Order: sequence, then C-alpha cells, then structure tokens
Amino acid sequence: GAVVSQHPSRVICKSGTSVKIECRSLDFQATTMFWYRQFPKQSLMLMATSNEGSKATYEQGVEKDKFLINHASLTLSTLTVTSAHPEDSSFYICSARDADRGNYGYTFGSGTRLTVV
Amino acid sequence: SQQGEEDPQALSIQEGENATMNCSYKTSINNLQWYRQNSGRGLVHLILIRSNEREKHSGRLRVTLDTSKKSSSLLITASRAADTASYFCATGTGANSKLTFGKGITLSVRP
Repeated sequence: GAVVSQHPSRVICKSGTSVKIECRSLDFQATTMFWYRQFPKQSLMLMATSNEGSKATYEQGVEKDKFLINHASLTLSTLTVTSAHPEDSSFYICSARDADRGNYGYTFGSGTRLTVV
Repeated sequence: SQQGEEDPQALSIQEGENATMNCSYKTSINNLQWYRQNSGRGLVHLILIRSNEREKHSGRLRVTLDTSKKSSSLLITASRAADTASYFCATGTGANSKLTFGKGITLSVRP
C-alpha cells in the first residue's frame, strides 16, 4: 500500500530557531501534498496545499512567511517553521495524494510533534 | 464553521459492544471518509463512501450516508480494546480537492 514517511517524529527547538519537517511518498508520486496542524484533542486544521513545482496555497490565517512549504519533487515536500515560538508548538501532519487513486489516494504521515522552548 | 461535526465527542463502551459515531456536514460533498488516529500518530484511512452511495461495509465497519440530512454514521461492531482511538470524518468535494475534517470522536473500549 501507499506509504508516506514523515520526519522527524519529534523535535524540540529553542525559540527563534527554524525547524524543517520532511514528508516523503515512498512508493507513489504525490502531485499534491497537504500540511495540517493539530492541537491536543482537536481536529486537523489544513494549513496549506502544495503542488509539485508550484507555490503552495495557504489557508486563511496561515502566515506563508512563517510556514515555508517547498514541494520540489513528486515525492518530497518540506515544511519549515521559521523563527519558531512556543505558540507554534503543535502536532504537524502531512498528507500526500496519489492522483492515480482518486478519492482513495490520501495517505498520511505519522506526524511531527514540535515543541518550542 | 467547521465542516464535519461528529457526535458524540467521546464514547466509552465495553469490549464486544457496538460503537456508533455520527458526523454531520454543511456543504455539498463528493465523498465522505472516515479515518482513525491512535494517540500521537498519523491518520489511517478506514472507509470511503461516495455521495451516490447510502451504505457501505468493510469488515466490522459499516458506514451510512444520508445526503438529504447531510449526515453519516460509522458503526464498529463487536468492538475490541484495540479499537480505542480517535475517529474523524472528512469530506471531499471532488477528486482534486482537499479534505475537511470534523472535530473527532474519542472512542475508549474497555477490556
């Protein structure tokens, strides 16, 4: 089956530093990748949608200069949290879509727990 | 307001019992999907139902969709302790669209 690898699974960083999270589709080409943020005991909130080779589309209220998304290849998208602050601490999840599988094509990474101290 | 509202928010049952979770949504959809999330992990796809379908089965899972009421239900029969997790419904409006998630239901199955 489709597998999405997300790294790191946990990261602790100091306030003011930047953190990069990687999302890779291992056995399929992901034309579209999605980045979500999830607070404890809450739902997934879509942050942005990225298509390979083009700029990401950010949801309303998400700062694109703070959450940099790069989707340079069909198997890799990265989310960089720049100048992180404690309020950025959250669980970040990526999802990669396999266009060949239509509506069934959404596969999720295992998430990254970011803690900013 | 958020698309996809599940109820109850939390459900605790005994192993062997059935668990029913409901989801309501507000806009027209192409499909509705249910996902499972174990604590601190990513999401696992459980089942998808298209807008022209009314019921679907997969193993111990049964999902229904009522587009007139804009609601769906997920039934897990003969629950097991391993079914303990959070369950989310997600709606899609087309093959190329993003998914919008509900708030989720926390299911606890007591052994």
